Amino acid sequence: ETGVTQSPTHLIKTRGQQVTLRCSSQSGHNTVSWYQQALGQGPQFIFQYYREEENGRGNFPPRFSGLQFPNYSSELNVNALELDDSALYLCASSSRPWRGETQSFGPGTRLRVL
Amino acid sequence: DAKTTQPNSMESNEEEPVHLPCNHSTISGTDYIHWYRQLPSQGPEYVIHGLTSNVNNRMASLAIAEDRKSSTLILHRATLRDAAVYYCILRDVDTGGFKTIFGAGTRLFVKA
Repeated sequence: ETGVTQSPTHLIKTRGQQVTLRCSSQSGHNTVSWYQQALGQGPQFIFQYYREEENGRGNFPPRFSGLQFPNYSSELNVNALELDDSALYLCASSSRPWRGETQSFGPGTRLRVL
Repeated sequence: DAKTTQPNSMESNEEEPVHLPCNHSTISGTDYIHWYRQLPSQGPEYVIHGLTSNVNNRMASLAIAEDRKSSTLILHRATLRDAAVYYCILRDVDTGGFKTIFGAGTRLFVKA
């Protein structure tokens, strides 16, 4: 069983740039969620994708957008980067979009915005 | 949105039980309560979850108050490998779609 993988592991960008982060879900999982974890804080829910559509979103502005592909992998895109976007971005997958379903998390992508 | 409140840190001795509390007084009737833990430089790892009844698995037990406004994660015998940040999480679906609310987490220190 292949777990959740994310790429890249680390990334440095400058303010105003755009970034794309990638996630491959665990085999057999069709639902992907993205989280932002600032240093020393708990993860914050960005959004969830199921069947290539967003089916849930946290309190993040529209410059945070995503995609899910037919193979259930996913991308997180962030436009017009701000310094406060510096964080660990976590991807999690599950076998269905249900509130009682457990999630498998990837190791995260560490983004630094200068 | 519902919110969870956890103590910042707790300390335990190895081989002793640990009770990690979580307050979620604004929980909705359909929120599931999940617990995950996170080791340094890793993504969170599933521990246990439940809706209304107490739950047991090989890692831990989850005790849910009758009014569901609080829950307690119980590690029966703490080991050094259990030192981590433990998150109490609510997951639900409303008219806006799926929602997941993480608490700030409790950092558990385990002494040998």
